[in-house]
Amino acid sequence: KNEVEQSPQNLTAQEGEFITINCSYSVGISALHWLQQHPGGGIVSLFMLSSGKKKHGRLIATINIQEKHSSLHITASHPRDSAVYICAAHETSGSRLTFGEGTQLTVNP
Amino acid sequence: GAGVSQSPRYKVAKRGQDVALRCDPISGHVSLFWYQQALGQGPEFLTYFQNEAQLDKSGLPSDRFFAERPEGSVSTLKIQRTQQEDSAVYLCASSRGAPPGNTIYFGEGSWLTVV
Repeated sequence: KNEVEQSPQNLTAQEGEFITINCSYSVGISALHWLQQHPGGGIVSLFMLSSGKKKHGRLIATINIQEKHSSLHITASHPRDSAVYICAAHETSGSRLTFGEGTQLTVNP
Repeated sequence: GAGVSQSPRYKVAKRGQDVALRCDPISGHVSLFWYQQALGQGPEFLTYFQNEAQLDKSGLPSDRFFAERPEGSVSTLKIQRTQQEDSAVYLCASSRGAPPGNTIYFGEGSWLTVV
């Protein structure tokens, strides 16, 4: 069992749909990151959160520390949102990030 | 430069060859990380530097892998006697302060193919 698990692995949506990607972790964390990776490898940090909720444009990230669960929501999805979304947990006990395997999102026009 | 810069972007190495991958972090960033990402998988931690000190190298898969950051800025990841299983994208990331609590900025990666 991976320490950080994401679901779904693949997600196809129609433009305009509301999208949710889930992340569960089993380790103690001090922060959780949501990252976006486009084809070609570039990774962009979307959110870093340790409690509650953050919003940036059409993106919303929430975390429930007690349940060890985080979600990334995209409202009014657009084809340009198509990418791999990765959840990464910053373990309390060290400097490393432990990554989930990513969710491949495809938004069709 | 404005972001984390990695070179080369693409490298094809013959099995047994040594390779060196370079990372230029964002100027002034204290923390530097190396990750390995195999095709279709999430990145895996390799090593972490705080300034010139390598504080965690527990993720390096074998003694063929070596990383350094001698002056606390540019870092080099060296892989000796490359094997086919070393084929992956090697990602470098930096952050202003020590983890956690700081946004991490990633380079675009060095794509290594060992033939």
